[in-house]
Amino acid sequence: DAGVTQSPTHLIKTRGQQVTLRCSPKSGHDTVSWYQQALGQGPQFIFQYYEEEERQRGNFPDRFSGHQFPNYSSELNVNALLLGDSALYLCASSYLGGEKLFFGSGTQLSVL
Amino acid sequence: AQKVTQAQTEISVVEKEDVTLDCVYETRDTTYYLFWYKQPPSGELVFLIRRNSFDEQNEISGRYSWNFQKSTSSFNFTITASQVVDSAVYFCALSLYNTDKLIFGTGTRLQVFP
Repeated sequence: DAGVTQSPTHLIKTRGQQVTLRCSPKSGHDTVSWYQQALGQGPQFIFQYYEEEERQRGNFPDRFSGHQFPNYSSELNVNALLLGDSALYLCASSYLGGEKLFFGSGTQLSVL
Repeated sequence: AQKVTQAQTEISVVEKEDVTLDCVYETRDTTYYLFWYKQPPSGELVFLIRRNSFDEQNEISGRYSWNFQKSTSSFNFTITASQVVDSAVYFCALSLYNTDKLIFGTGTRLQVFP
């Protein structure tokens, strides 16, 4: 049983570019959340998707957008990249209201 | 507003020592959940425990134990007889009732030396 898988593992972009990160949830899970973890910090909630709709959103600008597909996989898009967007982006999946979030190993994004 | 504080940035111990990681939280809500996660060097966060605000019983799972005290808004985590494999960053987190959004502390890096 595969856990949460994220791709790519590492990515280098330049300021102003756009990026798409991908996440496949753990088998059977229907809810996907995205978190941003800056170096030396705790993860910060970006948003959560359920039934292909954004269900909750954290304090992130509109440059951060997402999508959930019918197979529950998800994408995180970031437009007009800033140097401060450099971070580890973590995807987590669960059943809606479930006790545990299962996290992937993340995508390390570097913006130069 | 909700907040989680982990004042210990880094702790170093020698194998077999006991170690306690501190967590203090702030919320005005009466119903909430508290969590501990472990982040090994591979990056993924590993769930350790969830505790709801109405259950102040201490919990023990093998070498791990948790002490929840609402009076001091603390949810501390103790590892007994630490091992090198316990080396990781540990995060305490809070979520409010009816939301899956986790609010994390800044983490405590634990290094266990042989």
